Amino acid sequence: AQTVTQSQPEMSVQEAETVTLSCTYDTSESNYYLFWYKQPPSRQMILVIRQEAYKQQNATENRFSVNFQKAAKSFSLKISDSQLGDTAMYFCALLNNQAGTALIFGKGTTLSVSS
Amino acid sequence: DAGVTQSPTHLIKTRGQQVTLRCSPKSGHDTVSWYQQALGQGPQFIFQYYEEEERQRGNFPDRFSGHQFPNYSSELNVNALLLGDSALYLCASSLGPPGENSPLHFGNGTRLTVT
Repeated sequence: AQTVTQSQPEMSVQEAETVTLSCTYDTSESNYYLFWYKQPPSRQMILVIRQEAYKQQNATENRFSVNFQKAAKSFSLKISDSQLGDTAMYFCALLNNQAGTALIFGKGTTLSVSS
Repeated sequence: DAGVTQSPTHLIKTRGQQVTLRCSPKSGHDTVSWYQQALGQGPQFIFQYYEEEERQRGNFPDRFSGHQFPNYSSELNVNALLLGDSALYLCASSLGPPGENSPLHFGNGTRLTVT
């Protein structure tokens, strides 16, 4: 079975600081994708960053970067220079390449950024 | 460019009733997936439609059914509502057949409350 585990239900950080959200996953597939999604109070799920499992280089999108450790099945998200607008629920998700678009989500981490 | 739109925004139903939720995909998208997000949890995959056919289904009972129309819009129907069906229902659209792994675009969801 494929699973995604986010062990930090809540985190808080001050503006301009750096925060890292943890995610571990389990899959028997060799070809898969990993994602971080952000869900603000507006409820819309927004893609933050995506990583293909076959790529060794960690993905980066502006202030967001990941630390992808394939052997350890770990996929953490680092947010640099945190902003108030980063306050949201963050979900780690796994997509098996054979599974169409059936994303498997973790339970999420609520991130609060304060001034 | 219109994104994914869902209606209604909120809905209150009584146990045993039936409900229909609607989704219009992002312009140009032809695949629609539905997810159920219980309070404080990550979304769970219900099913996916492409070319007006259900292509993939998650672990949900037959009370959950759907439809995709020629204009790619989709409906999610739930019969014999249970209290446990109370959740945020998210629609996501993408371009191309299952397995293409094109990015998912989510709507703002429909909040269903069953009393």
